[in-house]
Amino acid sequence: DAKTTQPPSMDCAEGRAANLPCNHSTISGNEYVYWYRQIHSQGPQYIIHGLKNNETNEMASLIITEDRKSSTLILPHATLRDTAVYYCVLTSYGKLTFGQGTILTVHP
Amino acid sequence: EAGVAQSPRYKIIEKRQSVAFWCNPISGHATLYWYQQILGQGPKLLIQFQNNGVVDDSQLPKDRFSAERLKGVDSTLKIQPAKLEDSAVYLCASSLSAGTDTQYFGPGTRLTVL
Repeated sequence: DAKTTQPPSMDCAEGRAANLPCNHSTISGNEYVYWYRQIHSQGPQYIIHGLKNNETNEMASLIITEDRKSSTLILPHATLRDTAVYYCVLTSYGKLTFGQGTILTVHP
Repeated sequence: EAGVAQSPRYKIIEKRQSVAFWCNPISGHATLYWYQQILGQGPKLLIQFQNNGVVDDSQLPKDRFSAERLKGVDSTLKIQPAKLEDSAVYLCASSLSAGTDTQYFGPGTRLTVL
């Protein structure tokens, strides 16, 4: 069973920041938070991951709360091509357990 | 760097037939995974290989599904005989090693069982 909870859907205007929340209240100390996204008819694409600290790369930023019970993925300037299903996944020892994810729709 | 390759991309078969999927992981990646993704759901891990050995196949329906990675590189996943409920996308992923290394996914094979 998935150990994360995400809203089923979110909308965002093009050019604005998209903030996708994820709850993982039962996270263990050695579990990483990973984010993937899946565009229709493609395999999941890796976005970013973190353990405790906030992380940033060329695609997104990841904010993890101090108690590690929740996190937020931030797409700073959403484009139409960011429309996808976004999965927040916990992993330890390589095992990914996906939930239902959040369908993000970016509007013009 | 080439990504994870899978073939075929699409396959339509009738129930009780057999089918095989092929995966070529990213060069140098020791760990290979097969996932099943049913429409509207997230991917579910079927089997994990470390080189040519099985690490986890607890979710693999072993009465009809089999997988191998004989030389520790390419892998095949077979279903025999197929059932209607096997209709799904079969995804292959690879990572440098097990543990916390990032998994990279291929495009998947969409299987339709009629």
